[in-house]
Amino acid sequence: AQSVAQPEDQVNVAEGNPLTVKCTYSVSGNPYLFWYVQYPNRGLQFLLKYITGDNLVKGSYGFEAEFNKSQTSFHLKKPSALVSDSALYFCAVIHGDSGGYQKVTFGTGTKLQVIP
Amino acid sequence: GAGVSQSPRYKVAKRGQDVALRCDPISGHVSLFWYQQALGQGPEFLTYFQNEAQLDKSGLPSDRFFAERPEGSVSTLKIQRTQQEDSAVYLCASSPTGGVAGGPGRETQYFGPGTRLLVL
Repeated sequence: AQSVAQPEDQVNVAEGNPLTVKCTYSVSGNPYLFWYVQYPNRGLQFLLKYITGDNLVKGSYGFEAEFNKSQTSFHLKKPSALVSDSALYFCAVIHGDSGGYQKVTFGTGTKLQVIP
Repeated sequence: GAGVSQSPRYKVAKRGQDVALRCDPISGHVSLFWYQQALGQGPEFLTYFQNEAQLDKSGLPSDRFFAERPEGSVSTLKIQRTQQEDSAVYLCASSPTGGVAGGPGRETQYFGPGTRLLVL
């Protein structure tokens, strides 16, 4: 079984400050991890993914995420938040070791509110 | 380029009515996924197609839900005899390949804007 947990329903941060949106995962073996963002009335947009290699993954819009195997975490970060970053963020995981098709499991989402 | 499109964007149905939701994936994408997103929740997997073949329908909540992709491009999700608990946003996503080596789950999925279904 695989799962992700996003422990914070909402994160508030002042514009210009660094932001972190937390994600922890549970999967047997190696995970493939994703972050998606959802703006109101729009579909999910891909931000970044970790497959293998460097633990620090850089993605769209200045976001990055750090894979930490010992803490089973994949927190999303940005050095300086923008008001336009306000949206709903979803972490997702699949089991990385098996070949072929696998279902993606999404977290429940974290609402990011950047305050001007 | 054109992304994934879904229609209608909004649908209001009376309880017991049948509905059909359409998804136009990105041209040439082999894999197509349907998800259900309840209010305040993350997307929940419903079903997966590789070309016209429905390889996984384990997420469909009941036999009232049926999906098809007859020509390997456009897909339709049909819900028969809708119930209030079917109210949700239905998301469609596509990805480029369905190859065993890469595995479609590993690929970036491109999502449509969703269809918001409200069953009264």
